[in-house]
This record gives sequence, C-alpha cells and structure tokens, in this order.
Amino acid sequence: ETGVTQTPRHLVMGMTNKKSLKCEQHLGHNAMYWYKQSAKKPLELMFVYNFKEQTENNSVPSRFSPECPNSSHLFLHLHTLQPEDSALYLCASSQDNWLAGDPDTQYFGPGTRLTVL
Amino acid sequence: AQTVTQSQPEMSVQEAETVTLSCTYDTSESDYYLFWYKQPPSRQMILVIRQEAYKQQNATENRFSVNFQKAAKSFSLKISDSQLGDAAMYFCAYRSAGSGNTPLVFGKGTRLSVIA
Repeated sequence: ETGVTQTPRHLVMGMTNKKSLKCEQHLGHNAMYWYKQSAKKPLELMFVYNFKEQTENNSVPSRFSPECPNSSHLFLHLHTLQPEDSALYLCASSQDNWLAGDPDTQYFGPGTRLTVL
Repeated sequence: AQTVTQSQPEMSVQEAETVTLSCTYDTSESDYYLFWYKQPPSRQMILVIRQEAYKQQNATENRFSVNFQKAAKSFSLKISDSQLGDAAMYFCAYRSAGSGNTPLVFGKGTRLSVIA
C-alpha cells in the first residue's frame, strides 16, 4: 500500500531537539489522523483533521503540535519530548462516504519509529 | 465511550489450518462499523475486513471471514487455510456510524504466528 507515505521512517532525537514528522496521502481523502502506538497498549488517537480543520485533539500534550496545510499533507511537530514519547507514530487517511452508506475505511502509512533519548 | 477488547495476546496456527481471533466491544450505539486490521512486521496497517452493524450477513474476503454477533457484541475473525504471510498483529477496531469522520477505537491486538 503506497497511498499513504510517512517520512522519516526512523527518528532518534534528544529531549531538547525540535523535529517534524511528515505524512502525505495520494488517495484524494478529506480526513487525516495521527495515532501513537506504544508497546503493549492499544493504538491511541492523537489528532483528527477534516478538510484541513482540526476536529479532535485527544488530550495530547502541547509538545506535540499538528499542522495540516492542505488535505493531502499532515505534519506532527515535536519539541522538548520525553523518553516516554518513544513510540511508533502512524498516520492514516479516510474519505467520508457516509452519504453513500459505506464506512470510511482508514488507510495507514508505514509509521515513523521515534526514539527519544 | 466505546471500548474494544481482544482477550488473546498471542495465537498460533499450523500452516493450512484454521484459526479464530476473538474480539468483543462495548457500545450503547446501534449503528456502527467494525474492522479487522493486520499489521505485519513491516509495520504498515492493512485493512483485512469490515462489517456494517446493520447487516446481518457476515462479511467475507477470500480466506478471511467474520462471525458477527451483535447481541453478544462479538466480532471474531476466522482465517482459513492459514499461510506464512498471515503472521502479523491483528487489531480489531470500532467506528461510530455518525456523520463525518469519526475515529477508530482499537483493541490491544493479537499476535498471530503461523507454524510451517
């Protein structure tokens, strides 16, 4: 599946660094999501963007800052992270098909493996 | 809030055999969607199968089928003729059927091993 791409695939950063994760979807979808996947925990939704507008912030600390400049691109800006923020960060996109009665299946990118030292 | 429970952290199956992964969920809604996602070691989540709650017929996709029991709030995944490529983490997920893009709620996952 290459419809959703994420860069970088791996990232190691110190607690004082500033970095950004990038997600791009080539599926013409109108919604994008950031998820955090930690070991032995369910996938945690972080942010949802519909038509470039943030519609959900799932109590995420302010050291994570999302940006959605258009419906195809989604960024996650990181600053002053903690070691417990080390995880796999997954981006997903979907198309709202509720008018057609179909579920808007989410398509996931390969993820960015983040390690905070 | 909805919750999804996968009670089997790990499962194993012999190649060519059949395995069933269990999933239960808790919701007060009557209309929703259920999904099974597969996450192989490459880490990319792949949709395996989906089920609309208003449909009584169980969804099937080739070797994958579900047993959807709405009253029991159960949504198990059956993999027939298991193949080595089926080895992965499997996540059960729930989504409300409201208008707009409602987020997925995931279970903790079941790691499936396929033995040659």
